[in-house]
Amino acid sequence: NAGVMQNPRHLVRRRGQEARLRCSPMKGHSHVYWYRQLPEEGLKFMVYLQKENIIDESGMPKERFSAEFPKEGPSILRIQQVVRGDSAAYFCASSPQGAGGEKLFFGSGTQLSVL
Amino acid sequence: AQTVTQSQPEMSVQEAETVTLSCTYDTSESDYYLFWYKQPPSRQMILVIRQEAYKQQNATENRFSVNFQKAAKSFSLKISDSQLGDAAMYFCAYRSAHAGGTSYGKLTFGQGTILTVHP
Repeated sequence: NAGVMQNPRHLVRRRGQEARLRCSPMKGHSHVYWYRQLPEEGLKFMVYLQKENIIDESGMPKERFSAEFPKEGPSILRIQQVVRGDSAAYFCASSPQGAGGEKLFFGSGTQLSVL
Repeated sequence: AQTVTQSQPEMSVQEAETVTLSCTYDTSESDYYLFWYKQPPSRQMILVIRQEAYKQQNATENRFSVNFQKAAKSFSLKISDSQLGDAAMYFCAYRSAHAGGTSYGKLTFGQGTILTVHP
């Protein structure tokens, strides 16, 4: 059973371009979480999704950022018109049911660098 | 909103010695889970140990144990017989146990503590 797969591992974009980060949860997991880690900081929650639904997007910036988790295919975190401040590691995690005590399985992250 | 605070940006320990990493949190909820995650240079987030708030007994996983003080809202991690492979960033995290709770589903992380292990 493959773990949480994130790609690409590294992504370089110029200011104003779009960044698309992909996350394939573990098999059988229908709950996906996105976190952002700025240099030398902890992970900050961005968004929590179930298949075709956004459950909690309280950590998402109001503009330029969007996330989806379609019925088929990976979850996508999309950042439009990237700026240098978007440079960070973006982590995806998944769990079977979203319950509080469940273990979250993390991917290895996508390092976004904005030039 | 829940907050998690790790007051030690960096800690160091000699190989085979014991080290304790501190974590405090703030919440108005009575039922929740606390976690310690390890992040080595590979960036992979690895779950070290988990504690249910309703359990008074401190969780233990091999060389890793916690000191959970619910009234003081303190959750420290003790690493015994430290090994070179323990060197990493360690994060304390909180997760609500209640559906509909203010942080249900998501983990709230502390700022992290960098642990260095000296041979």
